[in-house]
Amino acid sequence: DSGVTQTPKHLITATGQRVTLRCSPRSGDLSVYWYQQSLDQGLQFLIQYYNGEERAKGNILERFSAQQFPDLHSELNLSSLELGDSALYFCASEGGRGPGTQYFGPGTRLLVL
Amino acid sequence: AQSVTQLDSQVPVFEEAPVELRCNYSSSVSVYLFWYVQYPNQGLQLLLKYLSGSTLVKGINGFEAEFNKSQTSFHLRKPSVHISDTAEYFCAVTFTTSGTYKYIFGTGTRLKVLA
Repeated sequence: DSGVTQTPKHLITATGQRVTLRCSPRSGDLSVYWYQQSLDQGLQFLIQYYNGEERAKGNILERFSAQQFPDLHSELNLSSLELGDSALYFCASEGGRGPGTQYFGPGTRLLVL
Repeated sequence: AQSVTQLDSQVPVFEEAPVELRCNYSSSVSVYLFWYVQYPNQGLQLLLKYLSGSTLVKGINGFEAEFNKSQTSFHLRKPSVHISDTAEYFCAVTFTTSGTYKYIFGTGTRLKVLA
């Protein structure tokens, strides 16, 4: 158990819809990272937050957004969903700003029909 | 631009045999290197990391990796694998740009240990 929790575990929705994925980092960790894992593109870094502020952006689409709240949990919002957004979404937490060990959650499996 | 290449998408190996999973990177700046393992239906878990110091890094579960700057490689090795090592292995690099760290993961190598 990494200490990172993600909800929900599975999500099935339709094209055009909007979903919110939630991540709670390990106790004391200030950084949260979001990743998308798909069969054709592997593990892609989306975005990082540190202590409530956006720190780094990766290959995140404009339809996607994220935020980190004062209690350090983070949410990833995916809107105008397309079939290609079906993937496993991981969050990871880290104690500082990097480059330390990232602790990954179990992931949210999103299926867009 | 920085990149990570894991040349082998799948590696089958018999139990108790040695294994090497290859990772090469490309970067114009200094990097930090990591290996993560993903067991079926689980998140990634750190095996080992190289930040500085000795180029031979030992990790969990008997794995080790050697940072070779001249060959820009960070290959993962284990002298004797077990069935339980069957998993997907990801090499990752991180580097600083404009004061922040960015992470790039390789496409993964699926290790299949055969009885």
